[in-house]
Amino acid sequence: DQQVKQNSPSLSVQEGRISILNCDYTNSMFDYFLWYKKYPAEGPTFLISISSIKDKNEDGRFTVFLNKSAKHLSLHIVPSQPGDSAVYFCAASFVLSNFGNEKLTFGTGTRLTIIP
Amino acid sequence: EAQVTQNPRYLITVTGKKLTVTCSQNMNHEYMSWYRQDPGLGLRQIYYSMNVEVTDKGDVPEGYKVSRKEKRNFPLILESPSPNQTSLYFCASSSDRGLFAKNIQYFGAGTRLSVL
Repeated sequence: DQQVKQNSPSLSVQEGRISILNCDYTNSMFDYFLWYKKYPAEGPTFLISISSIKDKNEDGRFTVFLNKSAKHLSLHIVPSQPGDSAVYFCAASFVLSNFGNEKLTFGTGTRLTIIP
Repeated sequence: EAQVTQNPRYLITVTGKKLTVTCSQNMNHEYMSWYRQDPGLGLRQIYYSMNVEVTDKGDVPEGYKVSRKEKRNFPLILESPSPNQTSLYFCASSSDRGLFAKNIQYFGAGTRLSVL
């Protein structure tokens, strides 16, 4: 049972335009959400996160939006740059899952390609 | 430089031949985890450790063992590898900031394992 879903395996966006990556989750216990970026032959690197007490978090060109009622979050990248081409993973966690376990539940990833 | 180091990066082995994938972090982190990444399934947690000599199962622990004898090291052991353990493996670490504080997990570059 996939608790975190990224329904778009791939996305192509023109350089300079906005990239919007989507993520849905089913477990209402999740209270912290993260986006990771992954280049080939490298491990995932943290990009941005949001707590469930917020609906928006911004960091430079990256903004994450959280809609708790819809159990949906999205990552906006604007303007998109060629270096943003990577696989993006959405991840979620909650404090009391296996007390002390820092487990992240990941989506399956979206491959973003920025077209110059 | 803060990092999580995994070795080897690539490994081809045969069914039943015991192997160990090492993981070391230089950030003095308390928490460490192992994940595997498979197509269409995202990253799934195998085992985690909250500190030295404290380990527990994640979502997919069958066929794996771990140990945490030193804070910096968290090796993953496959006593009798099978073809269904062919996967991309990631080690991750994070610091203990308390029960209700959220931590960012830092990932190694991955180990691609093929079991023939």
